[in-house]
Amino acid sequence: AQKVTQAQTEISVVEKEDVTLDCVYETRDTTYYLFWYKQPPSGELVFLIRRNSFDEQNEISGRYSWNFQKSTSSFNFTITASQVVDSAVYFCALSESNYGGATNKLIFGTGTLLAVQP
Amino acid sequence: GAVVSQHPSWVICKSGTSVKIECRSLDFQATTMFWYRQFPKQSLMLMATSNEGSKATYEQGVEKDKFLINHASLTLSTLTVTSAHPEDSSFYICSARDRGREENSPLHFGNGTRLTVT
Repeated sequence: AQKVTQAQTEISVVEKEDVTLDCVYETRDTTYYLFWYKQPPSGELVFLIRRNSFDEQNEISGRYSWNFQKSTSSFNFTITASQVVDSAVYFCALSESNYGGATNKLIFGTGTLLAVQP
Repeated sequence: GAVVSQHPSWVICKSGTSVKIECRSLDFQATTMFWYRQFPKQSLMLMATSNEGSKATYEQGVEKDKFLINHASLTLSTLTVTSAHPEDSSFYICSARDRGREENSPLHFGNGTRLTVT
């Protein structure tokens, strides 16, 4: 069965610190997709990244970077030089491929609340 | 970018009444929409998958007679909470996938509806 674990419930850092949010997943499929979403206090979910299981290349986007390690089933997210605006709940999510289907469900982790103090 | 409009943003209703929540894809068509429920400080739990022109697929433990889903067009899905009770108070979020995109393309989320049942 699919499962996403975000062991860190809450993290508090001071502005300009780097912070890494952990994500560990479980799936029996060889083809799957991993996502990170941000949920600011206003509630909407903001898409950050999608990674498929065949692409283990790490990705960097500005201050954000992602480390995908299939060997440890992890997809960690690092924010460098954190800012107060980064304060939000961050969700890691997993979707298994469903060839020919359109109902690929997104299974979310429990989320990590990141608080960046000025 | 793709926009999903969810209405209302918040609603307060009395116990025993029914509440309808609308989810519209504004600039794309969605064969499939997903309804999630989020309790305070918790993750998003998938309630059901809404399929245009056919019956919704409910997750285990979700009462389909309680949470009625209708997906009458490629741009609109509705969730009706029937005979609402205080325990139904929650944050409900819909999401949709652009039918013109590949499978497992990122979901677009609405801004959510905060339901409070008194």
